[in-house]
Amino acid sequence: AQTVTQSQPEMSVQEAETVTLSCTYDTSESDYYLFWYKQPPSRQMILVIRQEAYKQQNATENRFSVNFQKAAKSFSLKISDSQLGDAAMYFCAYRQGGSEKLVFGKGTKLTVNP
Amino acid sequence: DVKVTQSSRYLVKRTGEKVFLECVQDMDHENMFWYRQDPGLGLRLIYFSYDVKMKEKGDIPEGYSVSREKKERFSLILESASTNQTSMYLCASSPPGGVLNIQYFGAGTRLSVL
Repeated sequence: AQTVTQSQPEMSVQEAETVTLSCTYDTSESDYYLFWYKQPPSRQMILVIRQEAYKQQNATENRFSVNFQKAAKSFSLKISDSQLGDAAMYFCAYRQGGSEKLVFGKGTKLTVNP
Repeated sequence: DVKVTQSSRYLVKRTGEKVFLECVQDMDHENMFWYRQDPGLGLRLIYFSYDVKMKEKGDIPEGYSVSREKKERFSLILESASTNQTSMYLCASSPPGGVLNIQYFGAGTRLSVL
């Protein structure tokens, strides 16, 4: 079974600085997708960024970018110019191609200090 | 915007009660999901439905059942609530297949079983 590991239960960053959240996954499949979801305090979870495994280019969404290392099975999230509104739980998730289900990591709580 | 609505944000029930958690989505999505979220454990899939009246067990289905009589509504049922079912419950929906298969989440129901 596929597993997703987030090794940092908590991280903190100063406002305007850059932070990287780590995620590794275990799969023997070649067709899959990876996601980062954000869950702000008392608010619903939303998609931050996604990556198709067949694409070599790292995905980018404004201040959010990923470092996708397929051979190492690593999928880290970089947040640049951190803002107070970035404070949240961040979940890394994996979906096998052809499956509708997501496998989530245990999450990283990000604190942004003013 | 996709809207996934969970009927209650907070719910307090007694041990042994039958509990219904309701979820409605307005985007005509085929897939709907129920997750349980506990600190340090991330999100764990309880049940998944890929069509009306169709369901599939997730990773932790014991003690739960589901109902999907209409496409837009997916109910989670705790037949006889127990204290170890105290948790945050998240509903999600998604369209089928491919990279566009992003899951959209409701705000969650925090259930306390006393």
